[in-house]
Amino acid sequence: EPEVTQTPSHQVTQMGQEVILRCVPISNHLYFYWYRQILGQKVEFLVSFYNNEISEKSEIFDDQFSVERPDGSNFTLKIRSTKLEDSAMYFCASKVALSSYEQYFGPGTRLTVT
Amino acid sequence: AQKITQTQPGMFVQEKEAVTLDCTYDTSDQSYGLFWYKQPSSGEMIFLIYQGSYDEQNATEGRYSLNFQKARKSANLVISASQLGDSAMYFCAMREGRVQGAQKLVFGQGTRLTINP
Repeated sequence: EPEVTQTPSHQVTQMGQEVILRCVPISNHLYFYWYRQILGQKVEFLVSFYNNEISEKSEIFDDQFSVERPDGSNFTLKIRSTKLEDSAMYFCASKVALSSYEQYFGPGTRLTVT
Repeated sequence: AQKITQTQPGMFVQEKEAVTLDCTYDTSDQSYGLFWYKQPSSGEMIFLIYQGSYDEQNATEGRYSLNFQKARKSANLVISASQLGDSAMYFCAMREGRVQGAQKLVFGQGTRLTINP
């Protein structure tokens, strides 16, 4: 069964460093998402992406964040200058267009900023 | 205002018993959908069940059923014959608007379910 994959599973970085989190959505999906979950808290929407542009972003998704689909398979989230409060689990999700309702989540990348 | 409210931070249930996890939601849209996800200790998000606002029947998926009461704006998850492997965090989530389009999911705070042997 096709699945969303994410790499790395765990990333440790120092405050102020740039990080890129990678996702490979399911191949025929057209809508892509990033969510984050701070430890012990609920899952929060960051951004949605369709047709090579951002469809919607939350207030969390400030100028330090960017997303890109550099080729036909990868979907990346970049944090330019990490802060301690960026430490969280980051989930990528994807959805087939039109009548689909289900977003398929990847296993997540745990980001630890020290 | 909270869009999704899960009032039970933790639930403890004996194995083989049925359990109901509560979820209430707030929306002014006529078209919306409600989801339940399971998050085991390993961290991944596992889709369990979906209910569309226009679906007349309550959704069922194996041991999972969704008790959808539209007038009360509630979408409780019922797990029948609970198993030890059901111990996990459970999140209720909602998408608003038409199913087409890049719709975000809004999640509740979650309920930690523990199944006792």
